[in-house]
Amino acid sequence: ELKVEQNPLFLSMQEGKNYTIYCNYSTTSDRLYWYRQDPGKSLESLFVLLSNGAVKQEGRLMASLDTKARLSTLHITAAVHDLSATYFCAVDSNSGYALNFGKGTSLLVTP
Amino acid sequence: SQTIHQWPATLVQPVGSPLSLECTVEGTSNPNLYWYRQAAGRGLQLLFYSVGIGQISSEVPQNLSASRPQDRQFILSSKKLLLSDSGFYLCAWERDRIGYTFGSGTRLTVV
Repeated sequence: ELKVEQNPLFLSMQEGKNYTIYCNYSTTSDRLYWYRQDPGKSLESLFVLLSNGAVKQEGRLMASLDTKARLSTLHITAAVHDLSATYFCAVDSNSGYALNFGKGTSLLVTP
Repeated sequence: SQTIHQWPATLVQPVGSPLSLECTVEGTSNPNLYWYRQAAGRGLQLLFYSVGIGQISSEVPQNLSASRPQDRQFILSSKKLLLSDSGFYLCAWERDRIGYTFGSGTRLTVV
């Protein structure tokens, strides 16, 4: 059974601080996806990591992928309140179609 | 550019009533289409996916069904809703696994 595990599941952090969300997966997939979900809203694509060693950055968020360790990280730099949301990582399913998602990390950035 | 539309945005239905949710994609051809469900405060569960007209793969046995009558149209149905069918339903599309794009979602409450 393909597993995608995120930690932490809940994260409260102060504005200006740095933190990392971890995503471990059990498949041999060479690509990984990060999404953001605001309360009551749909999923917004943040990053698609397509190969081992891939690193992508957008604003205060940076994602990386280590396919050998089956690990992806989402690093938050100098957090601001607008980053408060739930972040999901996902990998391709064993069938090659659809994504298997982690349970999500609920991030709350406080003043 | 490609766009994905879902409707309705919200729906309140009594137990035992039928359901029809529609999803359409514009600006692409031969997309792979997906239905996911997100229960309150939980992760995303793949319900169905389709790689072509009339081709439906079911991931979870339940009282829901899906159909793809046209290349860019994906419909989720039920003959008789259960309380447990409540949730946030998301349609998504992709081609060549470059990235999965989600619709705005339908929030279904079964009462």
